[in-house]
Amino acid sequence: EAQVTQNPRYLITVTGKKLTVTCSQNMNHEYMSWYRQDPGLGLRQIYYSMNVEVTDKGDVPEGYKVSRKEKRNFPLILESPSPNQTSLYFCASSLQGGLEKLFFGSGTQLSVL
Amino acid sequence: DAKTTQPNSMESNEEEPVHLPCNHSTISGTDYIHWYRQLPSQGPEYVIHGLTSNVNNRMASLAIAEDRKSSTLILHRATLRDAAVYYCILYSGGGADGLTFGKGTHLIIQP
Repeated sequence: EAQVTQNPRYLITVTGKKLTVTCSQNMNHEYMSWYRQDPGLGLRQIYYSMNVEVTDKGDVPEGYKVSRKEKRNFPLILESPSPNQTSLYFCASSLQGGLEKLFFGSGTQLSVL
Repeated sequence: DAKTTQPNSMESNEEEPVHLPCNHSTISGTDYIHWYRQLPSQGPEYVIHGLTSNVNNRMASLAIAEDRKSSTLILHRATLRDAAVYYCILYSGGGADGLTFGKGTHLIIQP
């Protein structure tokens, strides 16, 4: 089954403790992206990647890092999480960018205490 | 990307057609009109997209005005499972390559 898989589904952590949210897709998509969703602000793009070793900032990249060492994986790294990064995070992928149909993961609810 | 305007919420009855409007008066010639929906506790899901002509797929139809300044997503026979937030998005590629999701329309389906 074609899917985007995020882990974990829920994560509670403390300020400053590094964490990684994993994202994997099995559709051989070139494009992958991370969004965060906050009440009243909608979905905002954090980072995206057009292909392996190619990543770029979205609208809200501060405090986040990503890497794209292989086509299927696109982890989101929070080196020193802060409470304002408490949010619902979604990973997405598509064949080639936003003009193509985007497939989203089920989301990761992160709470930073 | 140009901005879209959607009603905050709409209500409809089960098994009736639903017409979800979207205004995009500043749309450019290269902007595609995309629709996604987000069911409760799930990630967004692609519904349909088009450029100039009306489009149909198994989920919905997209009716695009002749001047392209507005469009309507049509759910032909709504079910309770169609209750979701529906996002109308314009995208033409280039620059920061991502879809900009607004607040969308919260569709409520009454049994």
